[in-house]
Amino acid sequence: GNSVTQMEGPVTLSEEAFLTINCTYTATGYPSLFWYVQYPGEGLQLLLKATKADDKGSNKGFEATYRKETTSFHLEKGSVQVSDSAVYFCALLNTGFQKLVFGTGTRLLVSP
Amino acid sequence: NAGVTQTPKFQVLKTGQSMTLQCAQDMNHEYMSWYRQDPGMGLRLIHYSVGAGITDQGEVPNGYNVSRSTTEDFPLRLLSAAPSQTSVYFCASRGQGKNTEAFFGQGTRLTVV
Repeated sequence: GNSVTQMEGPVTLSEEAFLTINCTYTATGYPSLFWYVQYPGEGLQLLLKATKADDKGSNKGFEATYRKETTSFHLEKGSVQVSDSAVYFCALLNTGFQKLVFGTGTRLLVSP
Repeated sequence: NAGVTQTPKFQVLKTGQSMTLQCAQDMNHEYMSWYRQDPGMGLRLIHYSVGAGITDQGEVPNGYNVSRSTTEDFPLRLLSAAPSQTSVYFCASRGQGKNTEAFFGQGTRLTVV
């Protein structure tokens, strides 16, 4: 079946540090991959996406590259800010485009 | 532009009570889903719908019913609430295709005592 595995959190960083949150997936066919972010007390919102191998999604300084050979979609940011503190979810949309499957989420805490 | 609207935001139920969580979207999206979010478990799919009149089970459907009589509305019913259903519930909608973004409601925090 389809599944997403994310690194355990929380990830604690100082402001301006480099961020990596690992995400690997298991899927049949060629899924689309997403990163969603959840700020405290809110629903999830799309951060970035990639729909085919070697695509790079980017938004607000965050990037992730769809790596089919390693079945990965790691999230990176060169310099985090306190306002980036949130929970980040990796997700895939299966080949039939019906079910969006999420990882367990990784909490990021950025201190000044 | 309201997007996805969930009601209520908070609810406390006694074991055995029933209730309906409401979800409405104004984007004419075909796909709608209900998820529950529990600590350490991420978001788990309860039920989903690919269009009016069509619903299917997700990975944790037991204890929940859904229906989709219109494109806009996708209510989630708890027939007999149990403490194990204490969770935060999110409704989401999206259009067709592999590029489409899912839009989420603000969530309903449900406590069953």
